[in-house]
Amino acid sequence: SQTIHQWPATLVQPVGSPLSLECTVEGTSNPNLYWYRQAAGRGLQLLFYSVGIGQISSEVPQNLSASRPQDRQFILSSKKLLLSDSGFYLCAWSALGRGSYNEQFFGPGTRLTVL
Amino acid sequence: AQKVTQAQTEISVVEKEDVTLDCVYETRDTTYYLFWYKQPPSGELVFLIRRNSFDEQNEISGRYSWNFQKSTSSFNFTITASQVVDSAVYFCALSDYNTDKLIFGTGTRLQVFP
Repeated sequence: SQTIHQWPATLVQPVGSPLSLECTVEGTSNPNLYWYRQAAGRGLQLLFYSVGIGQISSEVPQNLSASRPQDRQFILSSKKLLLSDSGFYLCAWSALGRGSYNEQFFGPGTRLTVL
Repeated sequence: AQKVTQAQTEISVVEKEDVTLDCVYETRDTTYYLFWYKQPPSGELVFLIRRNSFDEQNEISGRYSWNFQKSTSSFNFTITASQVVDSAVYFCALSDYNTDKLIFGTGTRLQVFP
């Protein structure tokens, strides 16, 4: 069966520090991968998605970036965090194919607080 | 433009009551998919159901049921005999053929009190 992992689970970082969040998927090949952010009490905002290694689509201009160095690994990074980067970050995967037609499965999330 | 509206921001019920969560969508696609997700307090989104636009048959899974009506562009979710464990935020989502993404509604927070 497929599983998706995210770490760390929680993170407290000072403004201006770098960020690296990791997401890995097991039990499937060539998944579509997604990064979402959810601000407190708000809906989901799609940040990045990837249909293959090295292929990243950015949804919102910001100081975040994403990379997919391996088929089942998706990394969210920042060189300098802002206060507004605080939130709950969710990674998700869906089966290869039309990404919007397949259900997405979400990881446990990372709660990031920038102070 | 593709859009999902969940007009109910928050609903509170007492255990064993039935509750319906509304979802209204807008799309120009002729083929599309609709989804419901549950987000319990732990934060992880749990997939509940996917329904394609050609299948208007209602679906029931235990205490959960979904009513899909293309005529009113609605995909409502009913929980029968609600339980405290049903307390969560529920998201409705719509496929976007052109952008290959899911369009999420803003969610409905359901609180079930004992």
